[in-house]
Amino acid sequence: NAGVTQTPKFRVLKTGQSMTLLCAQDMNHEYMYWYRQDPGMGLRLIHYSVGEGTTAKGEVPDGYNVSRLKKQNFLLGLESAAPSQTSVYFCASSYSEGRRSPLHFGNGTRLTVT
Amino acid sequence: GQQVMQIPQYQHVQEGEDFTTYCNSSTTLSNIQWYKQRPGGHPVFLIQLVKSGEVKKQKRLTFQFGEAKKNSSLHITATQTTDVGTYFCAGRGDTGFQKLVFGTGTRLLVSP
Repeated sequence: NAGVTQTPKFRVLKTGQSMTLLCAQDMNHEYMYWYRQDPGMGLRLIHYSVGEGTTAKGEVPDGYNVSRLKKQNFLLGLESAAPSQTSVYFCASSYSEGRRSPLHFGNGTRLTVT
Repeated sequence: GQQVMQIPQYQHVQEGEDFTTYCNSSTTLSNIQWYKQRPGGHPVFLIQLVKSGEVKKQKRLTFQFGEAKKNSSLHITATQTTDVGTYFCAGRGDTGFQKLVFGTGTRLLVSP
């Protein structure tokens, strides 16, 4: 039982390049989330999904796209990377959006855009 | 929109001293969760509080949810070096379908 797995762990991009971050969970969770973490700003929600085939915008969605073709996978795409997207990205999942569902986080992806 | 602030941003204590972090929401919360993130790690769920005035303990950690359900606190008694990390609160509004909003976090450093 691996929990939530993110790939890659590190990535350096040049401005304008594109990439996809992959998140996989083996807990059969319905809900999945992508957060970014920047110093002094806590965790900010980028996009989330309430089930296979669904996605929704979070607090800071601009510049990102997501897809959830399979229940266990949630992909985060950057079509044209910008230096402002330098951050640590965390994927998380939860059983439901209900009150008593904690989030399970992956180990994170450290992205640098030069 | 809903905002969750935490104070202090950073605290450095000597091992054995107590530590408290405070979490304040701009709106009433249905529940609040606390997470700990070790340096270089990912957030890990600690506990959830749901009821007004609720107090829960985990060994040396005491969590409290305010009577008005707009604030919360985490108190660590006699800190240890293993307590080092950033502590986040995360709250969900109590009306309609609300997303979990994370606080800005308190970074704790403990010197031996």
